[in-house]
Amino acid sequence: DQQVKQNSPSLSVQEGRISILNCDYTNSMFDYFLWYKKYPAEGPTFLISISSIKDKNEDGRFTVFLNKSAKHLSLHIVPSQPGDSAVYFCAASAVQGGSEKLVFGKGTKLTVNP
Amino acid sequence: GAVVSQHPSWVICKSGTSVKIECRSLDFQATTMFWYRQFPKQSLMLMATSNEGSKATYEQGVEKDKFLINHASLTLSTLTVTSAHPEDSSFYICSATSGMVAKNIQYFGAGTRLSVL
Repeated sequence: DQQVKQNSPSLSVQEGRISILNCDYTNSMFDYFLWYKKYPAEGPTFLISISSIKDKNEDGRFTVFLNKSAKHLSLHIVPSQPGDSAVYFCAASAVQGGSEKLVFGKGTKLTVNP
Repeated sequence: GAVVSQHPSWVICKSGTSVKIECRSLDFQATTMFWYRQFPKQSLMLMATSNEGSKATYEQGVEKDKFLINHASLTLSTLTVTSAHPEDSSFYICSATSGMVAKNIQYFGAGTRLSVL
């Protein structure tokens, strides 16, 4: 069973508009959530994170919102730029076996059109 | 900062041979390193967690004797795929984390694409 779900495999937006990427999770033990960005043939790059005790974290054009009651988080990118085109992975963290482990969603491919 | 280097980026080998993949943290000491495997259009699946100087902890369903992990120093972990077969062909990615950098954030290498003929 998938503990972290990204139900939209792809998203296409126009340059300058807002991109909203969504993520749902099932395990209430997750205490930290992260977004990673991945270009083809590269490893994921850390983008932004949020603790489970917060509901919003902002870093420049990127904002992550967390709704614990709905077990839902979203990443907002505004304004979107063509260079933002990549696959975005949502990840959730929980301590398992003494280590903080990440569980990843399948990713959403974002395409920002000029 | 927080750069992780993975080598090689791509390897092709014959069935039955062994392949070693290296993962290095270049500018920080990694208390914990992780090895993932990714199939096309799938999420990253954690294979094992390794702490420096101790045995790796493998996820359920991952064969310890097949995927040998060594974490001999705070900056180097290796994954050896032993007696590789075509079904082992995949994208392998390592990550590292350090309490000195940011506890919950894993920093990833660029990945290794393994093709077994």
